[in-house]
Amino acid sequence: SQQGEEDPQALSIQEGENATMNCSYKTSINNLQWYRQNSGRGLVHLILIRSNEREKHSGRLRVTLDTSKKSSSLLITASRAADTASYFCATGRGATNKLIFGTGTLLAVQP
Amino acid sequence: DAGITQSPRYKITETGRQVTLMCHQTWSHSYMFWYRQDLGHGLRLIYYSAAADITDKGEVPDGYVVSRSKTENFPLTLESATRSQTSVYFCASSELKTSVQETQYFGPGTRLLVL
Repeated sequence: SQQGEEDPQALSIQEGENATMNCSYKTSINNLQWYRQNSGRGLVHLILIRSNEREKHSGRLRVTLDTSKKSSSLLITASRAADTASYFCATGRGATNKLIFGTGTLLAVQP
Repeated sequence: DAGITQSPRYKITETGRQVTLMCHQTWSHSYMFWYRQDLGHGLRLIYYSAAADITDKGEVPDGYVVSRSKTENFPLTLESATRSQTSVYFCASSELKTSVQETQYFGPGTRLLVL
């Protein structure tokens, strides 16, 4: 079963606007990662936030983690048409190196 | 060539046939993974490997076989393909830095159609 559930399933915004995607999960985690997938391509790692961190930034990306609510959000500021892609959260837990991926949010940025 | 590659990129086969999907990485990463991606299900883990000669089942292993005789290669075999195995298959790898989950690096995927 999926550990992560992204919300919304799809999001359409205009270039320059901010995009926010949410991820909820069910059990305690070691870390949470966000990946991007362009159409027809493999996934690309964006950012990793550990369970003892609350916020992390990378360029135009801002990730927050609330372990009490078992949720995370990914904010993309000043979006560009090139940000059009599917975004997945993935959670890591336990002692293995496995990740469990959510079903993704499809982001469309209109030029 | 550096990175993680998959072959073939596209494959059409018939039910009952054996199919092998290849995955090769040049980073000497310890971990390798096979996922399938289907609409509405996201990515689901089929098998993974912590090192050469060490493999373990993921979420959806039935109908698949893996091997890892060399660190850089992790082939996935569908022993007798079924239509339900029509999917996009992704291979990934990651380092073993700590005991917790590290970044995974994905190949470009193999689109498999089983007729």
